[in-house]
Amino acid sequence: SAVISQKPSRDICQRGTSLTIQCQVDSQVTMMFWYRQQPGQSLTLIATANQGSEATYESGFVIDKFPISRPNLTFSTLTVSNMSPEDSSIYLCSVQTGNGYTFGSGTRLTVV
Amino acid sequence: QKEVEQNSGPLSVPEGAIASLNCTYSDRVSQSFFWYRQYSGKSPELIMSIYSNGDKEDGRFTAQLNKASQYVSLLIRDSQPSDSATYLCAVNSRNSGGYQKVTFGTGTKLQVIP
Repeated sequence: SAVISQKPSRDICQRGTSLTIQCQVDSQVTMMFWYRQQPGQSLTLIATANQGSEATYESGFVIDKFPISRPNLTFSTLTVSNMSPEDSSIYLCSVQTGNGYTFGSGTRLTVV
Repeated sequence: QKEVEQNSGPLSVPEGAIASLNCTYSDRVSQSFFWYRQYSGKSPELIMSIYSNGDKEDGRFTAQLNKASQYVSLLIRDSQPSDSATYLCAVNSRNSGGYQKVTFGTGTKLQVIP
C-alpha cells in the first residue's frame, strides 16, 4: 500500500495567520483526500483533490478558508487560512489503496 | 439522520472474549465498507474491507455486511488488551462532484480488560 509523508506533524499558530500542510505519496495517485478530526470526534472530509482540476469541497468547507493545491500525482497541500481557535484540530490526508484508504500521520494544529 | 452511525461506547469486554461492533448507514447505493482502528494520537489504520453481503474473515477479525438492512459489523475474537482502541466504520459513496468519498462514523471505543 501507499506510504504518505505528512508535515508538519504539529504546530502552534497565532490566530489570523495561515498554515500550509504538505502530503507526499510514494506512488502516483489520482485523488487525494483531506480530512479534519476535531478533538474526540470522527473524521470529516474537507475536500477531494484531483490532479489537474480544482478540488471538490464538502458542505461547510470553502476554498477561501481551505485552499488546496495538487501540482502532480504524488503531492498535495492544504492551507488553513485566517485561523481561529475553532480551527484547532488534527488534519489528515488520505489516498485510496488496493483495499481501502491509507492516511498520513496527521498534523495536530493548535491555534492560540 | 447521520450517514454512518455507531454506538460511541465505551464497549468493555474481558480479555479472550468476543467484541462485537456495529454500524448502520443511510446511503442505499453504497458499495464499499471499511473498518478502521485508531489508537489515541495516531491516524486510522485499515483492518477490513467488505463489499458483498455475508461474512469476511481475516485472522481474529470477521466483518459482516447486510445491505438489505444497511448494517455492517465487526467481530473481534479472542480480544486482547492491545485491541483497545477506537474502531471507525466507514462507507464509500460519491460526493457532489461525482468522485468517490469515504464517510466515517463517530467510532466505538473498545476497552479490553485484562
